[in-house]
Amino acid sequence: QSVLTQPPSVSGAPGQRVTISCFGSISNIGAGSDVHWYQQVPGTAPKLLLYANTNRPSGVPDRFSGSKSGTSASLAISGLQAEDEADYYCQSYDSTLSGWVFGGGTKLTVL
Amino acid sequence: QVQLVESGGGVVQPGRSLRLSCAASGFTFSHYAMHWVRRAPGKGLEWVTAISSDGNNKNYADSVKGRFTISRDNSENTLNLQMNSLRVEDTAVYHCARGPPLYGSGKYSPFDSWGQGTLVTVSS
Repeated sequence: QSVLTQPPSVSGAPGQRVTISCFGSISNIGAGSDVHWYQQVPGTAPKLLLYANTNRPSGVPDRFSGSKSGTSASLAISGLQAEDEADYYCQSYDSTLSGWVFGGGTKLTVL
Repeated sequence: QVQLVESGGGVVQPGRSLRLSCAASGFTFSHYAMHWVRRAPGKGLEWVTAISSDGNNKNYADSVKGRFTISRDNSENTLNLQMNSLRVEDTAVYHCARGPPLYGSGKYSPFDSWGQGTLVTVSS
């Protein structure tokens, strides 16, 4: 069971907008730790998608956006494209565990 | 261009050992903390262990503490993971990743580069 909680799956049609939630606790997100998001196509390396809650690395389209409030964060993907079909993970640092924690991952299906 | 290439995975019986390696290139390896992160079949990513840039500090997840040992050779740009007393639940794809330092405010930084991973299967 992952320390951060994500929905197992979300889906949407091309062009639509979807959001993926990430729930933590006062030991991680609620303690002020930044949330980062990763995209992983099965069989490939995870790719950093958003860092420090809202920031996109170079090359990531502005269709991807993030937010954080209290003990939770969310990733929004607008203008869904077939290439967005992948697994998405949130990640933070947990001060109680003194280690890095991930969500269980959310599988995005583009209908 | 940052490149991380893992090797050493395979099939091993419970209780046995295995050693993974990660060859790094495209950046100054000795300047960065390095991590191992795994993904078990049907499950999410799990952070396993980390080592500081100079190799003097290490951190382990409770699930592997006392069984796994992380090390690095900055002269060879190589990261290693010695896995002893392997269990069925250690079955996973193991990724090496360039990530946050172990201490200070930098520990809130992301894992910014990842390898494709090497599969470890623990089965009798």
